[in-house]
Amino acid sequence: RKEVEQDPGPFNVPEGATVAFNCTYSNSASQSFFWYRQDCRKEPKLLMSVYSSGNEDGRFTAQLNRASQYISLLIRDSKLSDSATYLCVVNKGGGFKTIFGAGTRLFVKA
Amino acid sequence: GAGVSQTPSNKVTEKGKYVELRCDPISGHTALYWYRQSLGQGPEFLIYFQGTGAADDSGLPNDRFFAVRPEGSVSTLKIQRTERGDSAVYLCASSLQATPDTQYFGPGTRLTVL
Repeated sequence: RKEVEQDPGPFNVPEGATVAFNCTYSNSASQSFFWYRQDCRKEPKLLMSVYSSGNEDGRFTAQLNRASQYISLLIRDSKLSDSATYLCVVNKGGGFKTIFGAGTRLFVKA
Repeated sequence: GAGVSQTPSNKVTEKGKYVELRCDPISGHTALYWYRQSLGQGPEFLIYFQGTGAADDSGLPNDRFFAVRPEGSVSTLKIQRTERGDSAVYLCASSLQATPDTQYFGPGTRLTVL
């Protein structure tokens, strides 16, 4: 079993749609959680950190469920520019090793 | 300010050769990470430096891979006796301090081993 698992997609949605991604992690001692965005043939860039209380940044909402060991990302009112791969990232408890999921591909179409 | 830079952007080599990949982190960032990314996969952790020392090298796949950061700034990833399976994009990231903190990635070096 992979340490961080994501549905690879692709998710094909129309503009304006709401789309949600989930990510599960196996190490219950994991301490920090993030969502990164990666455009085709580009480097990953931080989208948002994920806090236990949940957090929202504009159209993006991230949630953490420690009991079930999953992280979610909700995108409302999808834009064409949201088309990218979304990477779930977990910092392994007790150390500095950062684990990336394989990513979920999103295509937003007009 | 300048972001993370990596050189070369592309490297083509023959199986069995030695390669060096360079990463220049953001000035003042003490933490530096190396990852490699294969097509369709997320970045795979290789090694993490805090200052000059490797705090976690558990991701290095075997002893052909080695990385240094002698002055706590620029880092070099060294791969000996390259194999075709080493072909990937090698990404470097830096952060102001150890995680949890935002990691800023460089553009990567695309390594192709023929």
